[in-house]
Amino acid sequence: KAGVTQTPRYLIKTRGQQVTLSCSPISGHRSVSWYQQTPGQGLQFLFEYFSETQRNKGNFPGRFSGRQFSNSRSEMNVSTLELGDSALYLCASTDGYTEAFFGQGTRLTVV
Amino acid sequence: AQRVTQPEKLLSVFKGAPVELKCNYSYSGSPELFWYVQYSRQRLQLLLRHISRESIKGFTADLNKGETSFHLKKPFAQEEDSAMYYCALLGGGSYIPTFGRGTSLIVHP
Repeated sequence: KAGVTQTPRYLIKTRGQQVTLSCSPISGHRSVSWYQQTPGQGLQFLFEYFSETQRNKGNFPGRFSGRQFSNSRSEMNVSTLELGDSALYLCASTDGYTEAFFGQGTRLTVV
Repeated sequence: AQRVTQPEKLLSVFKGAPVELKCNYSYSGSPELFWYVQYSRQRLQLLLRHISRESIKGFTADLNKGETSFHLKKPFAQEEDSAMYYCALLGGGSYIPTFGRGTSLIVHP
């Protein structure tokens, strides 16, 4: 079974731009979560989607948003990028019975 | 509220030495605890979960409800154990693990 796939792997954007990241979960997994990983803060939860609905949201500003499609694929959008948004963004999927499986992440650099 | 604390950002040991990565949690119910590992340039992956009570790559972790701890231990560290380790908690029927800030383990030859 294919793992969690995130695209693109790397992105360089300038301040003020917006960016969209994509995540394809493991087939059959309906829950998709997004995390921001930085050396200083570790893994911080952004939001979780289940069956196209946002079920949980972390403590991030409204510039961070997401959505989930009927095939469970999810996208995350960050508008008006700031230098501090530079991070590795991880997506995880789960069926609720096993552990969360992670993608390899998208490395976003804001310059 | 649930919280996971990993007090050490960095743990540096020599090959063959015992290693213990600390994890303390705060949760009012009965949590499910995990250790995830992230090797260099690889994805975050599950190392072990407390309910399975198994040893993976020589690592073990025991849930101590009295001390609310789930420390990860290995009697003899190997260089290939160098990685980032995250302790995580799942509780209350949630699908979303709460992660600690992670501990970077470096095993020197």
